[in-house]
Amino acid sequence: NAGVTQTPKFQVLKTGQSMTLQCAQDMNHNSMYWYRQDPGMGLRLIYYSASEGTTDKGEVPNGYNVSRLNKREFSLRLESAAPSQTSVYFCASSEARPGPYEQYFGPGTRLTVT
Amino acid sequence: SQQGEEDPQALSIQEGENATMNCSYKTSINNLQWYRQNSGRGLVHLILIRSNEREKHSGRLRVTLDTSKKSSSLLITASRAADTASYFCATVRGSTGGTSYGKLTFGQGTILTVHP
Repeated sequence: NAGVTQTPKFQVLKTGQSMTLQCAQDMNHNSMYWYRQDPGMGLRLIYYSASEGTTDKGEVPNGYNVSRLNKREFSLRLESAAPSQTSVYFCASSEARPGPYEQYFGPGTRLTVT
Repeated sequence: SQQGEEDPQALSIQEGENATMNCSYKTSINNLQWYRQNSGRGLVHLILIRSNEREKHSGRLRVTLDTSKKSSSLLITASRAADTASYFCATVRGSTGGTSYGKLTFGQGTILTVHP
């Protein structure tokens, strides 16, 4: 099993450009998550999807959109990139309720916006 | 805002010594988890402790939870150079009418360096 995979691994964008980060999991998990990690900080939740067909905002959703394409795939889109979105982005997945919600993480996408 | 605060921010020890990291949080929790992150990599789950548990062991890891103080500690015994990494605590909030969906709130992490 590959676990959680993310593409691309690295990306450089100019301000105003758009892009989509892809995430897929092969563990048949219901819930998926997108986080960002800034230098010296923990992870902050951007969006999550409790189950196929549902998405909800996390702590820092502004400037992002998501799509839960099917049970396996959860994408994150930046419509108009800004330098403040320079970060490392992690996708994760977990079983749904009743828990206890251990999460499995992908290797991350390092995004630089100039 | 982040739920957890970790202490110390950085810890440097020699191989064979024990490493203790602490985590405090603000709200009631369903469970608390510890994750490790090697430089430039994704997070790896280490151990989970439920709110009704006080102590848990896994190999060289020992986690304690004090819900009255809203704090947890992670002890790594007989550390190795390979334990060098950042360690994060993360909490799943307590009952919120069933809407938490396992969302994790992370602390800022402790950077552990183990010198050979």
